[in-house]
Amino acid sequence: DGGITQSPKYLFRKEGQNVTLSCEQNLNHDAMYWYRQDPGQGLRLIYYSQIVNDFQKGDIAEGYSVSREKKESFPLTVTSAQKNPTAFYLCASSSLGQGDTQPQHFGDGTRLSIL
Amino acid sequence: GQNIDQPTEMTATEGAIVQINCTYQTSGFNGLFWYQQHAGEAPTFLSYNVLDGLEEKGRFSSFLSRSKGYSYLLLKELQMKDSASYLCAPMDSNYQLIWGAGTKLIIKP
Repeated sequence: DGGITQSPKYLFRKEGQNVTLSCEQNLNHDAMYWYRQDPGQGLRLIYYSQIVNDFQKGDIAEGYSVSREKKESFPLTVTSAQKNPTAFYLCASSSLGQGDTQPQHFGDGTRLSIL
Repeated sequence: GQNIDQPTEMTATEGAIVQINCTYQTSGFNGLFWYQQHAGEAPTFLSYNVLDGLEEKGRFSSFLSRSKGYSYLLLKELQMKDSASYLCAPMDSNYQLIWGAGTKLIIKP
């Protein structure tokens, strides 16, 4: 079955540590996105990519980094510069046919906490 | 600036009808999406409106008025499994989704 796989489901970070969240999709989607969700708030865009080897910053990119070396994969690194990383991280993808108005489909998310 | 306004929480009875409203202000407009999100899970796509009017999809319908910056999601024949948060997300001129905080819908027997 086609879908988006995020791993791990739960992740704990120590102070000063970088951690990488995995996101893989087999939907053949061109665009991929990373969002952060905090309680009582809407999803906030961290980074997005519409093509391999290219990505753009979203609204809250500081303290995060991404790569898009393959169409299927869009890993997110939460660096030690991100001082408040505890959140629910969601990866999404969408096709870019018929303009850019295709729905985004989400992975199951990674819940990151500070130790 | 860009802004989305939805009620924080609503309560309804199993078998009834509920309407969840969303007002928005965006820089440009390329349609509006509704998503359902169960607690601790990922959002799932429900509907997309780009033209004014009502789109019906089974028990769920979504309405859009572009001139008023207004949309609603209508849920009929409510079931317990409909207890979830409902997220309104208009798309701006850069084709970016602007997400509201969501409306938590509680269904009571």
